[in-house]
Amino acid sequence: KQEVTQIPAALSVPEGENLVLNCSFTDSAIYNLQWFRQDPGKGLTSLLLIQSSQREQTSGRLNASLDKSSGRSTLYIAASQPGDSATYLCAVIYRGGGYQKVTFGTGTKLQVIP
Amino acid sequence: DAGVIQSPRHEVTEMGQEVTLRCKPISGHNSLFWYRQTMMRGLELLIYFNNNVPIDDSGMPEDRFSAKMPNASFSTLKIQPSEPRDSAVYFCASSNNYSNQPQHFGDGTRLSIL
Repeated sequence: KQEVTQIPAALSVPEGENLVLNCSFTDSAIYNLQWFRQDPGKGLTSLLLIQSSQREQTSGRLNASLDKSSGRSTLYIAASQPGDSATYLCAVIYRGGGYQKVTFGTGTKLQVIP
Repeated sequence: DAGVIQSPRHEVTEMGQEVTLRCKPISGHNSLFWYRQTMMRGLELLIYFNNNVPIDDSGMPEDRFSAKMPNASFSTLKIQPSEPRDSAVYFCASSNNYSNQPQHFGDGTRLSIL
């Protein structure tokens, strides 16, 4: 069974800092890994998707890396802004029981202080 | 282009009543997912459809839960009879090719069973 862990559960940083969010998974046989943000009372917004054959993906101030062998992914946010405050979740798509499965981490709640 | 549309946004009903949640996926997407999010268990996949066919319903908690997708533009999640422990936020998401394209989420239905 795939288990996905995100550390830390919560993070508070001053505006302008660079920061790293972590996601670890137990089964490295994955199709892809996806990072989302969730604002209060809203659904999830897709940020980056990394295929199993890729090492990283970049979008603006965001960079996500993937190391399948160690079961880890990181989301790097450069020059953080108050608008980045949200909960960040990672999701792992993998094969289990003959189906494609998805398991989400429990998220990291980020607060960027002006 | 419109995103994933869910209705209702909020539902409050008494236990024992039938609840029907609705979802309109993004046009052209061939995969549709129903999730449940609670504080205790996080985000859990209940069921997903590919080309309107249910593929994996192993996440459906009990026989009281059922989901249908009569056509490519509409899906329902039904709970009958509802119980207080079903209270949660239910999300619908869609994707164009589950294994290598991102999922796009609706804003969810906040369900409260009294």
